Amino acid sequence: EPEVTQTPSHQVTQMGQEVILRCVPISNHLYFYWYRQILGQKVEFLVSFYNNEISEKSEIFDDQFSVERPDGSNFTLKIRSTKLEDSAMYFCASGRMFTDTQYFGPGTRLTVL
Amino acid sequence: KNEVEQSPQNLTAQEGEFITINCSYSVGISALHWLQQHPGGGIVSLFMLSSGKKKHGRLIATINIQEKHSSLHITASHPRDSAVYICAVRSYAGGTSYGKLTFGQGTILTVHP
Repeated sequence: EPEVTQTPSHQVTQMGQEVILRCVPISNHLYFYWYRQILGQKVEFLVSFYNNEISEKSEIFDDQFSVERPDGSNFTLKIRSTKLEDSAMYFCASGRMFTDTQYFGPGTRLTVL
Repeated sequence: KNEVEQSPQNLTAQEGEFITINCSYSVGISALHWLQQHPGGGIVSLFMLSSGKKKHGRLIATINIQEKHSSLHITASHPRDSAVYICAVRSYAGGTSYGKLTFGQGTILTVHP
């Protein structure tokens, strides 16, 4: 069964460094999402992406964040200058249509020191 | 602001018991999702529903759109059902919705043998 994959599973970085989190959505899906979950808190929406552009983003998704679909398979989240408060589990999700079920990847745990 | 509230926050049951988890939300929605989060952090979609009732194995999900309420039921619970169960909604905001989900805080379910 097709699944969403994410790499790395755990990323440790120093404050101020740039990180890129990678996701491979399910191949025939057209809508892509990033969510994050700070330890002990709710899952929060960051951004949705369709047709090579951002379709919706949250207040969290400020200028430090960017997303890209550099080729036909990868979907990336870049944080330009990480802060301590960026430490969280980041989930990628994809769906065929925005009205459909979203399939989540296993997550990348980002630790900012 | 769309709030999604779940109850109870924690639920402990004995194997074989019937379990109910509740979800209430505050704005109009186009769909509601029930998700399962495993101890390792991965998120699995259980149901997506916009009306009525869905059943999959021992799991049943219902939604009452007028009352802005949904329930997830587990029949004949088993220790392997132990996980965090999360309710998430896709708001309907003037016809503009690209799949963004707003999440509840989750219900931690522990089923003892």
